Amino acid sequence: AQTVTQSQPEMSVQEAETVTLSCTYDTSENNYYLFWYKQPPSRQMILVIRQEAYKQQNATENRFSVNFQKAAKSFSLKISDSQLGDTAMYFCAFMKLVIGTDKLIFGTGTRLQVFP
Amino acid sequence: GAGVSQSPRYKVAKRGQDVALRCDPISGHVSLFWYQQALGQGPEFLTYFQNEAQLDKSGLPSDRFFAERPEGSVSTLKIQRTQQEDSAVYLCASSDRYTQYFGPGTRLTVL
Repeated sequence: AQTVTQSQPEMSVQEAETVTLSCTYDTSENNYYLFWYKQPPSRQMILVIRQEAYKQQNATENRFSVNFQKAAKSFSLKISDSQLGDTAMYFCAFMKLVIGTDKLIFGTGTRLQVFP
Repeated sequence: GAGVSQSPRYKVAKRGQDVALRCDPISGHVSLFWYQQALGQGPEFLTYFQNEAQLDKSGLPSDRFFAERPEGSVSTLKIQRTQQEDSAVYLCASSDRYTQYFGPGTRLTVL
């Protein structure tokens, strides 16, 4: 069975600074996807970034980038130039790569507070 | 385009009542998922449809939970004889294969 661990229940960062959220996972699968989702207080879950395990290059989306270490089973999210709108719960998630699609397995989340 | 929608957004039920939660996926998305999110926790998988076929229902916590998607589009999650431990946010997601897009959720409170 796959597990996802987020060891930082809460983080805070000052506006315009950089913050890194940690995620580790456990799996015996070789092919899978990893995701970071953001859930603001309004509750709608929004995709931040996706990483395919077979790609060595780390994914980036504007101010968001990941550090994917497959051997270490680590998948951290770096947010650069933090903005007040980044305040939210952040969930790391794992999905097996199968024909079609599969369920997401989520970590327990990290609450990020960006303050002025 | 329109995203995933869910209704109602909030539902209060007395213990023992039946409830039905609706999900309208993104048009054309074949796959649809239901998750349960307890307060302060990450979402947990309940069930998965591909078109009208329910391919995985391993996450449903009891036989009081039932989901359907009869025409391969709109899905309904039904909970019979609700219990207090059913109180949670129920999230629906539809998928374009490798990425799931979530609705706003239904917050169920059982008194």
